[in-house]
Amino acid sequence: GAVVSQHPSRVICKSGTSVKIECRSLDFQATTMFWYRQFPKQSLMLMATSNEGSKATYEQGVEKDKFLINHASLTLSTLTVTSAHPEDSSFYICSAKDTDDHEQYFGPGTRLTVT
Amino acid sequence: GQNIDQPTEMTATEGAIVQINCTYQTSGFNGLFWYQQHAGEAPTFLSYNVLDGLEEKGRFSSFLSRSKGYSYLLLKELQMKDSASYLCAVLPNDYKLSFGAGTTVTVRA
Repeated sequence: GAVVSQHPSRVICKSGTSVKIECRSLDFQATTMFWYRQFPKQSLMLMATSNEGSKATYEQGVEKDKFLINHASLTLSTLTVTSAHPEDSSFYICSAKDTDDHEQYFGPGTRLTVT
Repeated sequence: GQNIDQPTEMTATEGAIVQINCTYQTSGFNGLFWYQQHAGEAPTFLSYNVLDGLEEKGRFSSFLSRSKGYSYLLLKELQMKDSASYLCAVLPNDYKLSFGAGTTVTVRA
């Protein structure tokens, strides 16, 4: 099956710093990648949708200047959390799909802790 | 917005059967997914239904009724490792997966 990787799996950063999370599709071309955030005991909430070579589409309430998304190639999307605050601490999960597939393939997630 | 409802928690005994119901009201329908998620891990795909009826895959089965906006996931011969959160997710017209809050299943010996 299709494999999606995320890096890093865990990151701890200080308040005010920025952190970058990478999402890679390893064995297929991902025309669309999705970024989700999941707080403890809650379900996945879509943050943004990115299509290769174009600007990401952000969901209502998600600050595009704080959560920078780059989908520069068909196998890589990055999410940068800028000026991180403790309330940004969460589990960030990416998923990827190609044009002809209805199924999204999820990465293993990144646990971000902002101190 | 999309509305997807599923029970918060269910408990069952090892070897038993548990049925997790999911009802949805969405803007269009392009399929319904069930995912399993263990604590601290990403969701893993269990099933996809786009037509009415029952899809069986080993110990897990999923049912869909589009006219009723209803699905269920049936877990048979429960094992301890099945203790996890089960997420119902619908693909509406905008093709952005919308997730239910998840059902935490606890399997007891």
